[in-house]
Amino acid sequence: DGGITQSPKYLFRKEGQNVTLSCEQNLNHDAMYWYRQDPGQGLRLIYYSQIVNDFQKGDIAEGYSVSREKKESFPLTVTSAQKNPTAFYLCASSITGTLAKNIQYFGAGTRLSVL
Amino acid sequence: KQEVTQIPAALSVPEGENLVLNCSFTDSAIYNLQWFRQDPGKGLTSLLLIQSSQREQTSGRLNASLDKSSGRSTLYIAASQPGDSATYLCAVQGGSEKLVFGKGTKLTVNP
Repeated sequence: DGGITQSPKYLFRKEGQNVTLSCEQNLNHDAMYWYRQDPGQGLRLIYYSQIVNDFQKGDIAEGYSVSREKKESFPLTVTSAQKNPTAFYLCASSITGTLAKNIQYFGAGTRLSVL
Repeated sequence: KQEVTQIPAALSVPEGENLVLNCSFTDSAIYNLQWFRQDPGKGLTSLLLIQSSQREQTSGRLNASLDKSSGRSTLYIAASQPGDSATYLCAVQGGSEKLVFGKGTKLTVNP
């Protein structure tokens, strides 16, 4: 099955701890994205990557880090500097090059809570 | 800065009713507008994408329209069913790969 896999589905972070959320896609998409969703809010962009070994900050990148060493993988690390990490995290991917038809496909999400 | 607003925030209708969800955006310089569906605790599913040069798109019982000059889009759902109950999100794409999302409309279709 082609798609985007996020793991784990639920994650708990202790204070001062870094945690990493996994996102893998087998759609052969060039671009990948990380969003954060808080209750009653729209999605906010954390980081995005248009090609391997390159990524850009989104609107709320502070306290997060990413890497893009492989086309199919875009892990997100929530660092101890992120003081309010409790949220639902969504990963997405898309084919780049044709902005007018650029549909983003989403994973099922990871819910992060603080212990 | 692009801002996307969705009205109403929540909507409850009886099964079989036709309904309209609204989306407005502040900057008309967009490449496309997308409508997504989100079920509780799940990711987003793309429903329709309207390119900036298009006026509307249809998929089954769904019809989305776009009036770029006035910064408005509507999602029309015909003959609503309980299975349509979900949150519907509108997003616009400007001159980059980034999408700007509205906060969504939570739809409940009562049997």
